[in-house]
Amino acid sequence: GAVVSQHPSRVICKSGTSVKIECRSLDFQATTMFWYRQFPKQSLMLMATSNEGSKATYEQGVEKDKFLINHASLTLSTLTVTSAHPEDSSFYICSAKIRGKETQYFGPGTRLLVL
Amino acid sequence: QKEVEQDPGPLSVPEGAIVSLNCTYSNSAFQYFMWYRQYSRKGPELLMYTYSSGNKEDGRFTAQVDKSSKYISLFIRDSQPSDSATYLCAMSYSNSGYALNFGKGTSLLVTP
Repeated sequence: GAVVSQHPSRVICKSGTSVKIECRSLDFQATTMFWYRQFPKQSLMLMATSNEGSKATYEQGVEKDKFLINHASLTLSTLTVTSAHPEDSSFYICSAKIRGKETQYFGPGTRLLVL
Repeated sequence: QKEVEQDPGPLSVPEGAIVSLNCTYSNSAFQYFMWYRQYSRKGPELLMYTYSSGNKEDGRFTAQVDKSSKYISLFIRDSQPSDSATYLCAMSYSNSGYALNFGKGTSLLVTP
């Protein structure tokens, strides 16, 4: 149980284009989803917290107009990197949280490379 | 000072050794403590989850929390090459909805 999927697993795009990453909880309802970014040999950096049906809360320094988050249902959250630039190249990981439990279950991550 | 400190390693041990991984933290409000394992280019996988102080054992893994010292540990017995990964400690406050605070992760290599 508690499986989280992400799609796509990797994406290569040209600078200036937008990329959408999907995060799904497959066998449970996720009241809260989190989006992280991880650079090589670094820990996970929280980008934003997303609750179903409400606006995402972004961490300091994360541009909400650049990283659009939509949590439309209890099983799906999307992260759209708009007008991507090479410095946005990173490993993006989502996690999902079950109501009443503190643990988070992580997706397999999406590797983004912006050329 | 970061709220969660973790030695990044790398830590190299021979197969069969007992591995000890540790984190310290500064915020006494943390109540929930977790250990995640992350293989290269994969998402973190939950290994152990502990609430407040005490020990928890699951197979070859034992998690310890000492809230008085603000110190948590993960022990791996009879380590295997397949245990080679980065181990991340994480902790959160008592209220639901708070994000996890992660350590930087310790890179572990178990050699045959």
